[in-house]
Amino acid sequence: EVQVVESGGGLIQPGGSLRLSCAASGFSVSSNYMNWVRQAPGKGLEWVSVIYASGNTYYADSVQGRFTVSRDNSKSTLYLQMNSLRPEDTAVYYCARSMHDHSIGSYFFDHWGQGTLVTVSS
Amino acid sequence: SYEVTQASSVSVSAGQTASITCSGHRLGDKNVCWYQQKPGQSPVLVIYEDTKRPSGIPERFSGSNSGNTATLTISGTQPLDEADYYCQAWDSRTAFVFGTGTKVTVL
Repeated sequence: EVQVVESGGGLIQPGGSLRLSCAASGFSVSSNYMNWVRQAPGKGLEWVSVIYASGNTYYADSVQGRFTVSRDNSKSTLYLQMNSLRPEDTAVYYCARSMHDHSIGSYFFDHWGQGTLVTVSS
Repeated sequence: SYEVTQASSVSVSAGQTASITCSGHRLGDKNVCWYQQKPGQSPVLVIYEDTKRPSGIPERFSGSNSGNTATLTISGTQPLDEADYYCQAWDSRTAFVFGTGTKVTVL
């Protein structure tokens, strides 16, 4: 069974750092597209970052230069290092696998974790 | 950056048909998918590639996409379909783009 489980959220002061983890089972993170998607309280979904099977990484403009996505293939775990955190980064952070078919322009998330809450506040 | 918009809310009587729309410039040229999110839960994919249903998604969920508008249709809406629904497309500049979300209320 495909499953992803996030951890690492919590309360952090503005300007601080936090690292989120996402443990995957039932598939290999190294051969899939893995993402972080966030949802601020009472708000909609916002894509944050993706790491391709090739290792290429991409970020939303709102986190570019502050967040870094990485993975540990041996542990089948995805990470999100978040630095210089701001109050507007407060959200539930979801780990999600995406499916990509470049030939037909199809890109969607097929499995999501339960999310981990990050609160940035003094 | 590319944007897609949705009505904030839709109300439907139980057993009737709910139509949830998603609008964006030439959205019909892109593949659109839809997610259902119930309170306190993670999103669930209900439609991908405009019209396809993942395994386990009831047949009452269907999708279409043409011109500037994609539509998620729920036929014979049930109380358990009450949720927020998000469309999503892909843009080469901004990657994954989510719609603003529609809250579906079943009366």
